[in-house]
Amino acid sequence: GAGVSQSPSNKVTEKGKDVELRCDPISGHTALYWYRQSLGQGLEFLIYFQGNSAPDKSGLPSDRFSAERTGGSVSTLTIQRTQQEDSAVYLCASSPRGERGTGANVLTFGAGSRLTVL
Amino acid sequence: AQSVAQPEDQVNVAEGNPLTVKCTYSVSGNPYLFWYVQYPNRGLQFLLKYITGDNLVKGSYGFEAEFNKSQTSFHLKKPSALVSDSALYFCAVRDGKAAGNKLTFGGGTRVLVKP
Repeated sequence: GAGVSQSPSNKVTEKGKDVELRCDPISGHTALYWYRQSLGQGLEFLIYFQGNSAPDKSGLPSDRFSAERTGGSVSTLTIQRTQQEDSAVYLCASSPRGERGTGANVLTFGAGSRLTVL
Repeated sequence: AQSVAQPEDQVNVAEGNPLTVKCTYSVSGNPYLFWYVQYPNRGLQFLLKYITGDNLVKGSYGFEAEFNKSQTSFHLKKPSALVSDSALYFCAVRDGKAAGNKLTFGGGTRVLVKP
């Protein structure tokens, strides 16, 4: 597609429920990232997928968080048994693989999914 | 490990005055450095990057940034700020020595340009 598409744009859920956030990256982009932004704060890295390589999960805050990327395209971030501290904007980004100095690491971000846990 | 710091939570500047947003980084290899901007109610947008070459990098909307290896800094600058430059600015770094393309972002600096 023309840009990175995220859904839902807004999600309100009750504490303890599971939520799924979806990201549809730019066609042809091999790298996909999830970040979390709380209340206009900085971006917290969650997970990174690059092609068929094993994902870098080093930023996932607990085992309640998981993500998958099917067919090297769409990604789903799942949060189980949500807690109030999970409330944030979840941002997805994608980038082309590129060689160093060209397209590498120029991330295109989606508009985000705002999660509110009551 | 790679990290980046933005020491100012907010920068206030009058329209027409120079704007500087500070960023320092820490990596073990060569740094790849980026600035992104988040306008109100909009997604993050890429402004500029430094990979190699000239220390002064020019980007979108009249912004530029200077890479200073000895001070491990990558400050964002604009000679004459506009009210429309009011936004949240993020510096990001990737360690060129590290595998993968993981970007680490700073905490962000809110810029307020007053008319």
